[in-house]
Amino acid sequence: GAVVSQHPSRVICKSGTSVKIECRSLDFQATTMFWYRQFPKQSLMLMATSNEGSKATYEQGVEKDKFLINHASLTLSTLTVTSAHPEDSSFYICSARESGEGYEQYFGPGTRLTVT
Amino acid sequence: AQTVTQSQPEMSVQEAETVTLSCTYDTSESNYYLFWYKQPPSRQMILVIRQEAYKQQNATENRFSVNFQKAAKSFSLKISDSQLGDTAMYFCAFMKLGGDDKIIFGKGTRLHILP
Repeated sequence: GAVVSQHPSRVICKSGTSVKIECRSLDFQATTMFWYRQFPKQSLMLMATSNEGSKATYEQGVEKDKFLINHASLTLSTLTVTSAHPEDSSFYICSARESGEGYEQYFGPGTRLTVT
Repeated sequence: AQTVTQSQPEMSVQEAETVTLSCTYDTSESNYYLFWYKQPPSRQMILVIRQEAYKQQNATENRFSVNFQKAAKSFSLKISDSQLGDTAMYFCAFMKLGGDDKIIFGKGTRLHILP
């Protein structure tokens, strides 16, 4: 089956620093990837849609300058949280849709970010 | 805009019992997919079952089945012979066909299977 990985699985950073989270489709090509944020005991909130070779599309209320998304290849999308603050602490999940293969999205295992 | 509503924040059932999780949605679209996802304590999202709106027949995957009522915009999940491993958060989700592939999730139902 299609596998999506995320790295790192958990990261702790100091307030004011930036942290990068990688999302990789391991055995398929993904034109489109999605980034979600999940607070404890809450649902997934879509942050942005990442399209290979073009700018990401951000959901309303998501700061594009704070959450930088790059989808430089068909197997890799990155989310960089810039100038992180404690309120950015959360669980970040990516998903990927296989290019030209219908609707199903495959989810990564998530990254727990803690900003101290 | 589409919305997905799960009215049961938390449920508990005994092992081997049958449990039904409720979900309603609101949309003006006619072509869409509905999903149930499971998120166990590991936080990995797992697709449990999907239903294409154009199909009248309810989807079934082993012990998991849905009751899809398109006119009522209802999409419930039935888990038969529940097992301890079914303990998880369950999310109902909607995706419009031919659109931007965005999945809209409900708030989830936390299901506890009791030994």
